[in-house]
Amino acid sequence: DAKTTQPNSMESNEEEPVHLPCNHSTISGTDYIHWYRQLPSQGPEYVIHGLTSNVNNRMASLAIAEDRKSSTLILHRATLRDAAVYYCILREGSNSGYALNFGKGTSLLVTP
Amino acid sequence: NAGVTQTPKFQVLKTGQSMTLQCAQDMNHNSMYWYRQDPGMGLRLIYYSASEGTTDKGEVPNGYNVSRLNKREFSLRLESAAPSQTSVYFCASSFHGRDTEAFFGQGTRLTVV
Repeated sequence: DAKTTQPNSMESNEEEPVHLPCNHSTISGTDYIHWYRQLPSQGPEYVIHGLTSNVNNRMASLAIAEDRKSSTLILHRATLRDAAVYYCILREGSNSGYALNFGKGTSLLVTP
Repeated sequence: NAGVTQTPKFQVLKTGQSMTLQCAQDMNHNSMYWYRQDPGMGLRLIYYSASEGTTDKGEVPNGYNVSRLNKREFSLRLESAAPSQTSVYFCASSFHGRDTEAFFGQGTRLTVV
């Protein structure tokens, strides 16, 4: 299975932008890059996903490198509610029913 | 629109007891999944059901069984609970494919003593 590498933790000040990096050097051409986050004591929630082009939605932006070997999740203005573990996941392979393969993610701390 | 509903939210079992965790989704999704999450860890896939009538093992299936009762419901059974199965269990569902969004339940916190 293709793997992703993320920093264990990051810290940001409230109302400032946050750039969460993810490396996925073994990505294949059909793998989609997904980001999920998990707030304390809750189930994971979808943030954004993309294939090749940069993507924007109401929660965040996803910047994908031209060679697709890395990506960055951008939170434009961090709030205290954005403190969570962020998971970068390659959604791949019908051999596991397209199950999401979670790593340990990046724990984001947001300080006032 | 409830999304993914898991019951119960909390459960304490004695070693050797059995129980079934229930999961239901109301989004007409084809695929459903069961994960477990141990403290400080990411989620690990126990079983999945790519479509109604099919189930397959994930990364950590030992000690568990599943039933895809219909398109809406996917249950996880512990036949003889062990302390190593103390964990938080999450059910998820999605349409089949790489470019679809998955939805997760709020989890069942299980303690086996």
